[in-house]
Amino acid sequence: QVQLQQSGPGLVKPSQTLSLTCAISGDSVSSNTAAWNWIRQSPSRGLEWLGRTYYRSKWYNDYAVSVKSRITINPDTSKNQFSLQLKSVTPEDTAVYYCARDEVAGTRDWFDPWGQGTLVTVSS
Amino acid sequence: DIVMTQSPDSLAVSLGERATINCKSSQSVLYSSKNKNYLAWYQQKPGQPPKLLIYSASTRESGVPDRFSGSGSGTDFTLTISSLQAEDVAVYYCHQYYSTPKTFGQGTKVEIK
Repeated sequence: QVQLQQSGPGLVKPSQTLSLTCAISGDSVSSNTAAWNWIRQSPSRGLEWLGRTYYRSKWYNDYAVSVKSRITINPDTSKNQFSLQLKSVTPEDTAVYYCARDEVAGTRDWFDPWGQGTLVTVSS
Repeated sequence: DIVMTQSPDSLAVSLGERATINCKSSQSVLYSSKNKNYLAWYQQKPGQPPKLLIYSASTRESGVPDRFSGSGSGTDFTLTISSLQAEDVAVYYCHQYYSTPKTFGQGTKVEIK
């Protein structure tokens, strides 16, 4: 059974970098079927997919157009986890952030499971 | 991007009665070669992440009560709760995983009348 455990600060100052980590148990960040995603949820934007990382003989990343210039998602194979960095945040980046597993052209291409969520507030 | 539009935004249903939520995609999510609709439904309660209920438009996830059912194909889908229970009060989302970026509907809030 795959479980995802998120960690990271809940308060970030404007113009700084939001950083979150998602630890994986029951699967591998280097899996040849899974992809590892970040999704956020806010009243104004609803559920918004931000990006993913996955391994298929080499590492790949896909990012949403809305955050492409500011986002980095990195795997950490030594700790079996992956991270989100979102630069130059503004109050509009205030949201609950989730990590989630899906597959790329696999048998379970939907998001499941999800991490517990982290409310990140951008405020001075 | 595929836009997912749910209706209604909210509904109030008496305990034991049927609740019906609709979801329309801006383009077909039917993967023809596999004859599967790439459409899932989630339930979200306050303070919790979304919980998977249905995938492939009509397949219940293991452990999901059989009062939850999904139907539809192509661009039009429905989630039905056949006999609403108190624990079903939540927001429900449809989700297309046919193409990247994977997208969600805006949510439908289900309450007790």
